[in-house]
Amino acid sequence: GAVVSQHPSRVICKSGTSVKIECRSLDFQATTMFWYRQFPKQSLMLMATSNEGSKATYEQGVEKDKFLINHASLTLSTLTVTSAHPEDSSFYICSGVRESVNGYTFGSGTRLTVV
Amino acid sequence: AQSVAQPEDQVNVAEGNPLTVKCTYSVSGNPYLFWYVQYPNRGLQFLLKYITGDNLVKGSYGFEAEFNKSQTSFHLKKPSALVSDSALYFCAVRVSSGGYNKLIFGAGTRLAVHP
Repeated sequence: GAVVSQHPSRVICKSGTSVKIECRSLDFQATTMFWYRQFPKQSLMLMATSNEGSKATYEQGVEKDKFLINHASLTLSTLTVTSAHPEDSSFYICSGVRESVNGYTFGSGTRLTVV
Repeated sequence: AQSVAQPEDQVNVAEGNPLTVKCTYSVSGNPYLFWYVQYPNRGLQFLLKYITGDNLVKGSYGFEAEFNKSQTSFHLKKPSALVSDSALYFCAVRVSSGGYNKLIFGAGTRLAVHP
């Protein structure tokens, strides 16, 4: 089946630094990837839609300058949390889309802790 | 507004008993519905989806779900629960927005199966 590899699984960074999270579709081409954020014991909130070769589309209330998304190829999308603060600590999950089969495959998630 | 609701925060069931996790939806047009399961600090694993056809959908790990158009529901079921089924379950609906087909998630239901 389709696999999306997400790295790192856990990261701890200092306030003010930037962190990059990568998502790769291993056996399919993901023209579109979605980035979600999940707070403890809560649902997934869609942050942005990443499309290969074009600018990401951000959901209302998500700061595009803080959460930089790059989708440079059909198999790789990255999310960079810039100038991280403790309130950015969360679980971030990506999802690659296979439109032809209505398939949404999720990465294993990244636990970000900002200290 | 298009949305999906999971009315129960938690469902408790004894091992070997049948389980039901409820989901209702509100969308325009024909709904595309999904169920995912999440284990601690992990991404989402696909269980099943309803696109069209038979109202009873069979999925992974013995789970099934019944699409009920009149009640706008898509409840997840399993005839005999296992302790290993204990996890967080999400219902999702596909919505079209901004030129993309996105998944919108319910709040999640924690399933606890007791030995």
